[in-house]
Parts: sequence; C-alpha cells; structure tokens
Amino acid sequence: GNSVTQMEGPVTLSEEAFLTINCTYTATGYPSLFWYVQYPGEGLQLLLKATKADDKGSNKGFEATYRKETTSFHLEKGSVQVSDSAVYFCALSDSVGSEKLVFGKGTKLTVNP
Amino acid sequence: DVKVTQSSRYLVKRTGEKVFLECVQDMDHENMFWYRQDPGLGLRLIYFSYDVKMKEKGDIPEGYSVSREKKERFSLILESASTNQTSMYLCASSLSAGVNTEAFFGQGTRLTVV
Repeated sequence: GNSVTQMEGPVTLSEEAFLTINCTYTATGYPSLFWYVQYPGEGLQLLLKATKADDKGSNKGFEATYRKETTSFHLEKGSVQVSDSAVYFCALSDSVGSEKLVFGKGTKLTVNP
Repeated sequence: DVKVTQSSRYLVKRTGEKVFLECVQDMDHENMFWYRQDPGLGLRLIYFSYDVKMKEKGDIPEGYSVSREKKERFSLILESASTNQTSMYLCASSLSAGVNTEAFFGQGTRLTVV
C-alpha cells in the first residue's frame, strides 16, 4: 500500500541554521503531498502542499518540491527560528480524488537560541 | 475560520469502560476522520466517514467503532477500553471537492486507560 517515510528525529538546530527534513513516498497513481506541523499542545495544521509533479509548495519561509522522479517531498527552510520548534509530518493523499491522508511518523525539530 | 472541536482535552477511564470521544466541525465538511497518534508511530487512521451514516475502516479499527448521525458530528467509541488504547486521539475534517483538499484538525484528546 501507499506509505510515507520521513527522516527520524529529533533534529536540533541553532537559530538561523538551514533546515532539511527528508520525505519519500510510495504510491500508486499521482498523490498530492502535504507537510503538516504540530506545535506543542496543539493539533496538526497544514504547512504547505503540492498537487502535481514539479509543484513547489511554500509557506512561512518553508518550501518543498514534488519530485516524481525521486518520489520525494523534502521540507526546507533557509533560516529557522525558535518559534519553528514543533513536530513536522509529511503526508500523501491515498489516491487520486481521495481525501484520506497517509502520514509519516513525524520529525521533532528543536531550535535553540 | 474552520473549527474542529473535540469535547475533551484529557480523559482518564478505567479498563472495560465504554468511552465516547466526540468531535464537531462547523464548516459543513463531508469528510471526517479519527486518527490515533503514538510516539514513533505517527498518525494512524482508525475510521473515516465521507457522509452521514457512512463510514470506512482505516488501518487500525479493531476495538473501535464510530457514529455519524449528523454531518457536523463524528463520534469515536471504545466499546471496552483497554490499557493499549491509551493514546492521543485526533479528529479531522475536510471538504469533499473532488480534488485533494486540506484536512483541519482538532486539538486532540489525550486518553489514559488505567
């Protein structure tokens, strides 16, 4: 079945460092890809998404590009802040037209001042 | 703003009790979901509903049931709670628009079964 694999954490960075969180997927068809973020004590919220190959999703300085050839959707940010400390989840839609999401296991990011 | 509200943030129940977790959304979304979140396992789908009275099993439905009598409300039921159901439970909803749309999540219910 469809699955998402993302790099295991935790990841600890200093403020203003460059961030990459790797995400690869296995899917039949052409899924949409998502990054969700969970701040401490809160539910998940959508960070960005891409619905077709070569699309780039971006939000709050974060970016990810849908790479069909490498089945990847890596999350990047050029300069992280303490407020970016959270758990990040990569996800894909189960199949074209389906709204069920399959999640990776999450990567906890801690940014130190 | 879309709001998904879960009735409790924290619950403590005894083994063998019947437990109801309630979720309400206010944006007329067709789809509603129950996920379970555990450390190292990410989010796993328990049940999914795409319309009133309609439901589909997710990846881990054993020990759970659901009810969707009204469009805005989706209930998760633990028929006989067990300690291995201690977890964070997340409800979500999304619009069924024929394309892949964003899911909105509640704040979660942390359930402890003792």
